[in-house]
Amino acid sequence: ETGVTQSPTHLIKTRGQQVTLRCSSQSGHNTVSWYQQALGQGPQFIFQYYREEENGRGNFPPRFSGLQFPNYSSELNVNALELDDSALYLCASSGGTGRRQETQYFGPGTRLLVL
Amino acid sequence: QKEVEQNSGPLSVPEGAIASLNCTYSDRVSQSFFWYRQYSGKSPELIMSIYSNGDKEDGRFTAQLNKASQYVSLLIRDSQPSDSATYLCAVPRGSARQLTFGSGTQLTVLP
Repeated sequence: ETGVTQSPTHLIKTRGQQVTLRCSSQSGHNTVSWYQQALGQGPQFIFQYYREEENGRGNFPPRFSGLQFPNYSSELNVNALELDDSALYLCASSGGTGRRQETQYFGPGTRLLVL
Repeated sequence: QKEVEQNSGPLSVPEGAIASLNCTYSDRVSQSFFWYRQYSGKSPELIMSIYSNGDKEDGRFTAQLNKASQYVSLLIRDSQPSDSATYLCAVPRGSARQLTFGSGTQLTVLP
């Protein structure tokens, strides 16, 4: 167990709807990264939050947005859902700088199905 | 050229054998490398990190790094059926040190 939690575990939405996914980071970690993993692929970086600020963003459209709260938990919001958004959404937490920042521990993930 | 490449497999080895998983990366300045294990339907689990050229051993796992060849590998000795999973190679990139993953190698250990 990494101490990183995510909710919900599974979610079914229809095209055009909006979804919010939640993540609680490991105790002592101030950085949360979100990844999308399609079936048979490696995880793809969506964005990262460090001390409540977006610290980096991958190649995802603006309808993917996020927040980080003072307790370092985080939300991922996706608007105007598309069928291709069906995937496993992973939250990873890390702490500190340098190698500690790079060492990321994943939560169990939220599996999203868009119909 | 992909930033991180792995043989997708599947790779099958008999129980007790050595499984060898390979990964190449394109950015010559990369300094840190990670191996994650992902069971079917689960999230990735960190099993090894390596930063220096040479070998790093942890139990039955050995990571090998050759920066000159831009190559990192994972050896699993005395493979067990419980090692059957997809193994992901990851390299931190960018200012956020976000992980760039290969597509993973699916390993099956046959009893």
